[in-house]
Amino acid sequence: DAGVIQSPRHEVTEMGQEVTLRCKPISGHNSLFWYRQTMMRGLELLIYFNNNVPIDDSGMPEDRFSAKMPNASFSTLKIQPSEPRDSAVYFCASRNGGFYGYTFGSGTRLTVV
Amino acid sequence: DQQVKQNSPSLSVQEGRISILNCDYTNSMFDYFLWYKKYPAEGPTFLISISSIKDKNEDGRFTVFLNKSAKHLSLHIVPSQPGDSAVYFCAALFGNEKLTFGTGTRLTIIP
Repeated sequence: DAGVIQSPRHEVTEMGQEVTLRCKPISGHNSLFWYRQTMMRGLELLIYFNNNVPIDDSGMPEDRFSAKMPNASFSTLKIQPSEPRDSAVYFCASRNGGFYGYTFGSGTRLTVV
Repeated sequence: DQQVKQNSPSLSVQEGRISILNCDYTNSMFDYFLWYKKYPAEGPTFLISISSIKDKNEDGRFTVFLNKSAKHLSLHIVPSQPGDSAVYFCAALFGNEKLTFGTGTRLTIIP
């Protein structure tokens, strides 16, 4: 079991550029979550999917953010255009029922300059 | 609106002593409360949890206490060890859906 895999680990981009973060959940997990970690707000939920369907995207900060889950083994979080205030660590997590089953990836550290 | 709050951003404790991390919440509908531990450059990992119908849960050196009337929970680590140095997140769950996290407390254990 390789765990939740996120790529890239680090991303540095210029303001205005498009950024795409990727996540491969654990096989068999039916829920996927995107979180963002900042000093001010801690870990905040951006969006989550159940069985590839977006359930709650109320945490997505602006229309510049979008997320997709085209199949059970892949999800993307896109920011377009990116801004310096988007700089944070973005985590993907998956689970298979029950709250004990949350498994987090190692995160993507995004820096927008 | 921060529903789960950790008011201490950092805490330093001598090795062997007790570490107490605190968490407050505002939503009385939360069913479960969890603590996650996070090392640098890694994702958070589950540490211990407690149901809203209990007031204490213990697992080895880790004990979580829940005071529903005060909407407060705490994590006790005793004795504290250098490997316990990490960021600890309090989280709450309502209806087996999404986890709501606090802002985290950075615990440093001093040898």
